[in-house]
Amino acid sequence: AQSVTQLGSHVSVSEGALVLLRCNYSSSVPPYLFWYVQYPNQGLQLLLKYTSAATLVKGINGFEAEFKKSETSFHLTKPSAHMSDAAEYFCAVSTQGGSEKLVFGKGTKLTVNP
Amino acid sequence: GAGVSQSPSNKVTEKGKDVELRCDPISGHTALYWYRQRLGQGLEFLIYFQGNSAPDKSGLPSDRFSAERTGESVSTLTIQRTQQEDSAVYLCATALDPRSTIYFGEGSWLTVV
Repeated sequence: AQSVTQLGSHVSVSEGALVLLRCNYSSSVPPYLFWYVQYPNQGLQLLLKYTSAATLVKGINGFEAEFKKSETSFHLTKPSAHMSDAAEYFCAVSTQGGSEKLVFGKGTKLTVNP
Repeated sequence: GAGVSQSPSNKVTEKGKDVELRCDPISGHTALYWYRQRLGQGLEFLIYFQGNSAPDKSGLPSDRFSAERTGESVSTLTIQRTQQEDSAVYLCATALDPRSTIYFGEGSWLTVV
């Protein structure tokens, strides 16, 4: 069975600062990993996904994530936070190439301070 | 339509009543998923439809929960004899096929009082 742990239910950064949202996964088979973002009053949107190609994955809005098998991690980063990045971020794992039965973490709410 | 549409967006119901939640998928999307998100929790998988195949119901928490979908059309999630612990956001998501990006609706907020 797969599981996802997101460290920190709330993260607060200043505008222009580095964003680092942590995700660790557990999977008995090679995983497929996803980051989703949920802006206030909107549905979840896919930010990026890892499907066993390059370990550094670039997504939308300047976000990227690096798959580290030795650390079972898939942390999400952005060099410089923008006010519009304030949202809730979810890490998810699947053992399939697509999105069947994605297992989600509990989410991390990002606050960006001016 | 342009996106996944869910209705109602908000529903307050009395304990013991039945509720029905609706999901209109993006046209042509064969895969459809229902998830539940309780306050402060991650998304829990409920059920998955793929075309005309038998649905994967492994995530339904009890026999009070059921869902239907005919072909690639609308899906309804029904909760019978609602309980307070059923209060959550119910999210529908659809994908062109199981290996494609899934798109989420905005969810139906259910409050059982």
